[in-house]
Amino acid sequence: DGGITQSPKYLFRKEGQNVTLSCEQNLNHDAMYWYRQDPGQGLRLIYYSQIVNDFQKGDIAEGYSVSREKKESFPLTVTSAQKNPTAFYLCASSIDPRVTEAFFGQGTRLTVV
Amino acid sequence: QKEVEQDPGPLSVPEGAIVSLNCTYSNSAFQYFMWYRQYSRKGPELLMYTYSSGNKEDGRFTAQVDKSSKYISLFIRDSQPSDSATYLCAINQFYFGTGTSLTVIP
Repeated sequence: DGGITQSPKYLFRKEGQNVTLSCEQNLNHDAMYWYRQDPGQGLRLIYYSQIVNDFQKGDIAEGYSVSREKKESFPLTVTSAQKNPTAFYLCASSIDPRVTEAFFGQGTRLTVV
Repeated sequence: QKEVEQDPGPLSVPEGAIVSLNCTYSNSAFQYFMWYRQYSRKGPELLMYTYSSGNKEDGRFTAQVDKSSKYISLFIRDSQPSDSATYLCAINQFYFGTGTSLTVIP
């Protein structure tokens, strides 16, 4: 089955630790995105990538980093510099940035204690 | 000013009612408008998208864009309990509304 896989579904980390969230797609999509969702705030764009080895900051990139070494994979690292990392993180992909039918993964709920 | 504004609700309607969900946006250059449905603790799924102005219909769902007033709408006819979810409007893949929580009561 084609789709986007995010892992893990739930993640707990201690404050001050970096943590990496996985996002893999087998849809052969060029564009991939990371969002953060908090209660009452909808989705906010963290980073997006239009092609391998290229990515751009979204509205809330501070405290996050990404890489796009392979077309299928777009991991997100939440660093210790992110002041409020507890949130629901969503990854998505689309054929290209102009064709905006995007497919989402099921999300990773990160809790920092 | 936020790029897109959406009334968070919550909205509660009886089964069979017509539901109207709305968003406004700020930039007249925006051209792609989407509606996503999100069930609790799940990723959003695309319901409909429209390019530029006009209406688009798919079964019980109609998406409408009025570029002159920078207003986008989603209408759900004959609403069903399975339509109970949060509905998010979005512009391109970059700007999302806060979502409207809808409950359809049997």
